Amino acid sequence: EAGVVQSPRYKIIEKKQPVAFWCNPISGHNTLYWYRQNLGQGPELLIRYENEEAVDDSQLPKDRFSAERLKGVDSTLKIQPAELGDSAVYLCASSLDGGQGIEQFFGPGTRLTVL
Amino acid sequence: RKEVEQDPGPFNVPEGATVAFNCTYSNSASQSFFWYRQDCRKEPKLLMSVYSSGNEDGRFTAQLNRASQYISLLIRDSKLSDSATYLCVVTLSGTYKYIFGTGTRLKVLA
Repeated sequence: EAGVVQSPRYKIIEKKQPVAFWCNPISGHNTLYWYRQNLGQGPELLIRYENEEAVDDSQLPKDRFSAERLKGVDSTLKIQPAELGDSAVYLCASSLDGGQGIEQFFGPGTRLTVL
Repeated sequence: RKEVEQDPGPFNVPEGATVAFNCTYSNSASQSFFWYRQDCRKEPKLLMSVYSSGNEDGRFTAQLNRASQYISLLIRDSKLSDSATYLCVVTLSGTYKYIFGTGTRLKVLA
């Protein structure tokens, strides 16, 4: 069974440029998460989707970040414009549903470097 | 105070040693607990859930102490392949949300 797929794996951009990340969750997983992981830190949730609905985007910096999951399957996270502090690994995860204590499966991440 | 705290390490141990990590959490309403493993430049992967009665999976033992609000991970007979960062995860009662610790880095030395 294929895992969570993310692309690109690496991205280097200059500050003020836009960037987008793509995620395809495990087939049949209704819940999708985007996390940001800074060096030496644990992942921090940015947004969570139940099917196509964003049910928690409280930690998404909405002035520059946006996300969508139009058909309730794959998802895109966008940053516009990027800042130096956005350099991090952006992880996508999915789970069967959003229930308490359910396992989340992570993709390999996109490593973003903003110069 | 951080919601979930871990000693970042690194813990350098020889092969065959026993090593233990603790993770403290601040919210007494925390409900579910996990240990995830993250290899260098890889994604986190579930190592084991932590149950109230404690649980064991081969060389790995996880325990929960609700009174003192910490969970622990014990690794016996350490292997070189155990070298990784171990992330503690806590969820609050009634929520789905994973709260990660910063991770504890383990290096098993030959």
